[in-house]
Amino acid sequence: DGGITQSPKYLFRKEGQNVTLSCEQNLNHDAMYWYRQDPGQGLRLIYYSQIVNDFQKGDIAEGYSVSREKKESFPLTVTSAQKNPTAFYLCASRRDRAFSNQPQHFGDGTRLSIL
Amino acid sequence: RKEVEQDPGPFNVPEGATVAFNCTYSNSASQSFFWYRQDCRKEPKLLMSVYSSGNEDGRFTAQLNRASQYISLLIRDSKLSDSATYLCVVNPRTLGRLYFGRGTQLTVWP
Repeated sequence: DGGITQSPKYLFRKEGQNVTLSCEQNLNHDAMYWYRQDPGQGLRLIYYSQIVNDFQKGDIAEGYSVSREKKESFPLTVTSAQKNPTAFYLCASRRDRAFSNQPQHFGDGTRLSIL
Repeated sequence: RKEVEQDPGPFNVPEGATVAFNCTYSNSASQSFFWYRQDCRKEPKLLMSVYSSGNEDGRFTAQLNRASQYISLLIRDSKLSDSATYLCVVNPRTLGRLYFGRGTQLTVWP
């Protein structure tokens, strides 16, 4: 089955530690996205990538980093500079380029908490 | 001004009621529009795309008003299982990011 796989489902971070959230898709989608959602709040865009080896900052990129070395993979690193990382992290992908009317599809998310 | 604005609700309606949500967007050149549904502690899932002529999927009807720059979602004959948060999504450009509204919370009670 095609889809987006996020791992782990739950993650705990110690103070001063970097952690990496995995996102893999086998939909052959060009674009991939990372969002953060806090309780009772909307989605906020962290980073997005429209093509391999290229990515753009979203609205809240500080304290996060990404890479896009392969089309199917877009890992997110939450660095120690992100002082309030506790949130629900969602990865999404979208068939982009010529198909501009395509929606995003989401993975089932990673819940990150501070120890 | 935000790209997408939604009334957060909450909307509390009895089973069988008809309920409507509106969402306004700021970029008049916006290309495509969607409604997503998000259940508590779950990922958003596509409910339906919104087409210029309006479109219907069972009990759900989506409409687009380009002149006034808003989209709407109408739910008829509400079911308990419709309880969720409904997100309005706008694509302002051909490529790149989408913009999500904060969501409208709906609770259907028996």
